[in-house]
Amino acid sequence: QQQVKQSPQSLIVQKGGISIINCAYENTAFDYFPWYQQFPGKGPALLIAIRPDVSEKKEGRFTISFNKSAKQFSLHIMDSQPGDSATYFCAATADRGSTLGRLYFGRGTQLTVWP
Amino acid sequence: SAVISQKPSRDICQRGTSLTIQCQVDSQVTMMFWYRQQPGQSLTLIATANQGSEATYESGFVIDKFPISRPNLTFSTLTVSNMSPEDSSIYLCSVWTSGGELFFGEGSRLTVL
Repeated sequence: QQQVKQSPQSLIVQKGGISIINCAYENTAFDYFPWYQQFPGKGPALLIAIRPDVSEKKEGRFTISFNKSAKQFSLHIMDSQPGDSATYFCAATADRGSTLGRLYFGRGTQLTVWP
Repeated sequence: SAVISQKPSRDICQRGTSLTIQCQVDSQVTMMFWYRQQPGQSLTLIATANQGSEATYESGFVIDKFPISRPNLTFSTLTVSNMSPEDSSIYLCSVWTSGGELFFGEGSRLTVL
């Protein structure tokens, strides 16, 4: 059973546009929600993460929106650039006890930003 | 953050052989993990590498196939044993830092012929 569901599978955005990737989870014990960016041939790089005590977190052009009641979170990339073209993974975990550090990943979104 | 070095970065192996992947971290970390990423797929946790004790494996992964060592707080190895083409994947070492974040190495890309 997929613990974290991610959509869309692929996304094409014009340069300067907004890229939006959505994720949903079922396990209410999850309390840490990171996003990773992966370029071909590279390992996933931590992009931004959020915990349930806030509904939004912004770092530069990247924003996570978090809806605890709906069990959903999303990544918004403002002013998308060709250099943002990569695969993005959302993930979730319960940040305590035996599950500490054990992330459940979404299936990934292939983002292409056209110049 | 943490700087994670993996070796080898890539390898091509013959069916039936074994390969050991090394992971070195630039600082002491309590939690180390091994993930697998099959071609074009997401990441799946193989096991938690426990320092001084046997690794904790996820469902579908067994010690005989993926033996793991963790001799200290900065180093771990993953062996892929008796390889088949289905083992062709990227194997990723990751660490959970004291800051509460998970970082990955660059991965070891394995191709089994």
